[in-house]
Amino acid sequence: DAGVTQTPRHEVAEKGQTIILKCEPVSGHNDLFWYRQTKIQGLELLSYFRSKSLMEDGGAFKDRFKAEMLNSSFSTLKIQPTEPKDSAVYLCASSLGDKYYAEQFFGPGTRLTVL
Amino acid sequence: GDSVTQTEGQVALSEEDFLTIHCNYSASGYPALFWYVQYPGEGPQFLFRASRDKEKGSSRGFEATYNKEATSFHLQKASVQESDSAVYYCALSDGGNYKYVFGAGTRLKVIA
Repeated sequence: DAGVTQTPRHEVAEKGQTIILKCEPVSGHNDLFWYRQTKIQGLELLSYFRSKSLMEDGGAFKDRFKAEMLNSSFSTLKIQPTEPKDSAVYLCASSLGDKYYAEQFFGPGTRLTVL
Repeated sequence: GDSVTQTEGQVALSEEDFLTIHCNYSASGYPALFWYVQYPGEGPQFLFRASRDKEKGSSRGFEATYNKEATSFHLQKASVQESDSAVYYCALSDGGNYKYVFGAGTRLKVIA
């Protein structure tokens, strides 16, 4: 089985641009998560979907971050407009979601640099 | 809210040393506890989990025991190798929802 796929692996944007990151979860998984990873803040949850329904929209990340799940096998994270403080690694993860102790499978991440 | 505390930010060891990374949690319910490992350029990978008191999780020579009284899930390995160099994350999932709460991570460097 293919794991979680994320594209692009690297993205460089100018301040104020709109960028869209893409994620394909493991086939058959019901839960999908978007995280932001930085050295200072560690892993922060941005969004959480269950069976394509948005369960959590990440509170503080609402303003400029929008995650969508267009179908069960594809999700996007849009950042609009980008700011230099958005420079981070963005990770997508999926899980069967059949129990609260189900493991999450992570993609390799997209490293975003905002100039 | 729920939280996970990893005491060590960084650990440096020599090969064959004994490893302990401390993880303590705070949760209102009875959470499942996890360890994940992250190598450079990759996303975190599931190492193992435990979901009830006194349960031991283990994988690849690493192990941890769920201690509800002490609210701990410390990671241990008897003899580390250079290839174990990575960042280790402790996490919990509360029974009320399926989200994880991650600790800040511990960077392990093993010198040959």
